[in-house]
Amino acid sequence: EAGVAQSPRYKIIEKRQSVAFWCNPISGHATLYWYQQILGQGPKLLIQFQNNGVVDDSQLPKDRFSAERLKGVDSTLKIQPAKLEDSAVYLCASSQGPYGQYFGPGTRLTVT
Amino acid sequence: DQQVKQNSPSLSVQEGRISILNCDYTNSMFDYFLWYKKYPAEGPTFLISISSIKDKNEDGRFTVFLNKSAKHLSLHIVPSQPGDSAVYFCAARGHSGTYKYIFGTGTRLKVLA
Repeated sequence: EAGVAQSPRYKIIEKRQSVAFWCNPISGHATLYWYQQILGQGPKLLIQFQNNGVVDDSQLPKDRFSAERLKGVDSTLKIQPAKLEDSAVYLCASSQGPYGQYFGPGTRLTVT
Repeated sequence: DQQVKQNSPSLSVQEGRISILNCDYTNSMFDYFLWYKKYPAEGPTFLISISSIKDKNEDGRFTVFLNKSAKHLSLHIVPSQPGDSAVYFCAARGHSGTYKYIFGTGTRLKVLA
């Protein structure tokens, strides 16, 4: 079974530029999560999808972050414009049912 | 408001000894707890979990203990091996039906050969 795929693995941009991350969850997983992990902290949920509907986006900075889940499968997370404090690892995870999540390798974003 | 706390940022243990990683939580509505292990440049991988109706769950060298009255859980690794060196996160799930997980800040475990 293929795991959660994410791309790119690394990205360096300047502040005020835009960036997009892509995630392909495990086949058949209805729930998809985007997390932000800042160095030294635990993953923080940004947005949670159930199929292609948003379940929770309470911690998503909506003035600059946006996310969509295409046809209930792949998802993209966009930041526009980026700030220095957006430097973090962005993790995508998926699950089917209530017992745990499978994480992708993450995208390390550096904003200079 | 940090609902899930891991107060020890790091821990060093000799190979073969027991590693004990601790996690505290504040929300009594959490009904499911998990431990994840994370190596550098990789995403977290699921290690072991426990439901709030149990006080212990064991899987090979890994045991998780839950003390609901103290709102505390711990992960025991016996015996510790150098390959266990990683960052360990505890996570808790709210009883809201949305399967939302809240993570602690992590503990970096170093097992010394």
